Amino acid sequence: DTGVSQNPRHKITKRGQNVTFRCDPISEHNRLYWYRQTLGQGPEFLTYFQNEAQLEKSRLLSDRFSAERPKGSFSTLEIQRTEQGDSAMYLCASSTGTGGLGYEQYFGPGTRLTVT
Amino acid sequence: AQKITQTQPGMFVQEKEAVTLDCTYDTSDQSYGLFWYKQPSSGEMIFLIYQGSYDEQNATEGRYSLNFQKARKSANLVISASQLGDSAMYFCAMRGIDGSGNTGKLIFGQGTTLQVKP
Repeated sequence: DTGVSQNPRHKITKRGQNVTFRCDPISEHNRLYWYRQTLGQGPEFLTYFQNEAQLEKSRLLSDRFSAERPKGSFSTLEIQRTEQGDSAMYLCASSTGTGGLGYEQYFGPGTRLTVT
Repeated sequence: AQKITQTQPGMFVQEKEAVTLDCTYDTSDQSYGLFWYKQPSSGEMIFLIYQGSYDEQNATEGRYSLNFQKARKSANLVISASQLGDSAMYFCAMRGIDGSGNTGKLIFGQGTTLQVKP
């Protein structure tokens, strides 16, 4: 396994611009999650997919945010019309989704977004 | 709604000593899982230990153990024989079953920063 990868690792953008992040999960993992983490806080859940299906979205995911996982492999998270409050670390995680409640989520290194 | 509370923003421990990081939780789910993750300054989240709500024994993984007290709704992490490399942020998290029966998202606490002194 090469682990969960995320690109880009850092993104600086101007307020009002659109940005897109990519996450490549561990190859055999059918579940993929997006979280947002602001400085000094714990990650907050945004959304998750099982294969291509988006099973849950947080109320944090405003209409400016959209996530896709078109073929059940990689996922993209797009933020339209970025605001300074969107500045955060965006974390992606993947898992197998089997084994009851105890399956581990493997996290990627994150994409740090700075909106100026 | 599920909630995780970590009341210790920062902790110090002397190298080679044990330390306990507190975590309390709130849930109405009958079945749930409790996790601890470590986040070093480099940023990656590292899974440490898991405890299921129906597990009768406290979980242990090497130097990590989870002191699970179901009636008190607490799931404290104990790190024995602290090492300098243990300096990091530590997060307690919970997974339950949502209304559709899908187990998925983790709910995280605010974290505790641990500094190990030489």
